Amino acid sequence: QSALTQPRSVSGSPGQSVTISCTGSSSDVGGSNYVSWYQHLPGRAPKLMIYDVSKRSSGVPDRFSASKSGNTASLTISGLLAEDEADYYCCSYVGSYTWGFGGGTKLTVL
Amino acid sequence: QVQLVESGGGVVQPGRSLRLSCEASGFTFSGYGMHWVRQAPGKGLEWVTFIWYDGRKKDYADSVKGRFTISRDNSRNTLYLQMDSLRAEDTAVYYCARFIGGDFEGRFDYWGQGTLVTVSS
Repeated sequence: QSALTQPRSVSGSPGQSVTISCTGSSSDVGGSNYVSWYQHLPGRAPKLMIYDVSKRSSGVPDRFSASKSGNTASLTISGLLAEDEADYYCCSYVGSYTWGFGGGTKLTVL
Repeated sequence: QVQLVESGGGVVQPGRSLRLSCEASGFTFSGYGMHWVRQAPGKGLEWVTFIWYDGRKKDYADSVKGRFTISRDNSRNTLYLQMDSLRAEDTAVYYCARFIGGDFEGRFDYWGQGTLVTVSS
């Protein structure tokens, strides 16, 4: 069981916006300024998209944005493109020198 | 450019051992903490273990504690994962990842392509 809870899947049409949530607790997401998001395509290395809750990694388009409210972090992808179809994972330090990932959300671009 | 290349995966029987390696290039390996993350078939990413830049601090997920050992050789720019007493549930693609930030406040900015470990009789 993952430390952080994400929806199993989300979908949207090209040009639309989707938001992926990541819910934890006050011990991890709620208490951390270091939530990160990763894009993962099958057979590929995961790619850092967002770090420190809302900062875009180098080269990540500004269609990707993120925020946090309480114990829930969110990743929003606007102006969906077919190439955005992938699995997305949130990650947070969960204490005692351990880290946790969300269960992953499969984004389908219709 | 930063590169992380895992190796050592394969098919192994339950109860046996396997050692994974992650060769780093394109950056000062000795200056970064390193982690292993795995993905079981059809499942999500699971954090496994980390080691500080100098090897002085390391820790493990409960699921592997006492069975897996992380280590590094900064002279060889290589990270290792010694996996003992392997179980079927350890079957996964294992990724090494560079950690940038402080002791725990940071992110995984570069990942390898992964190496597949299959535990089966």
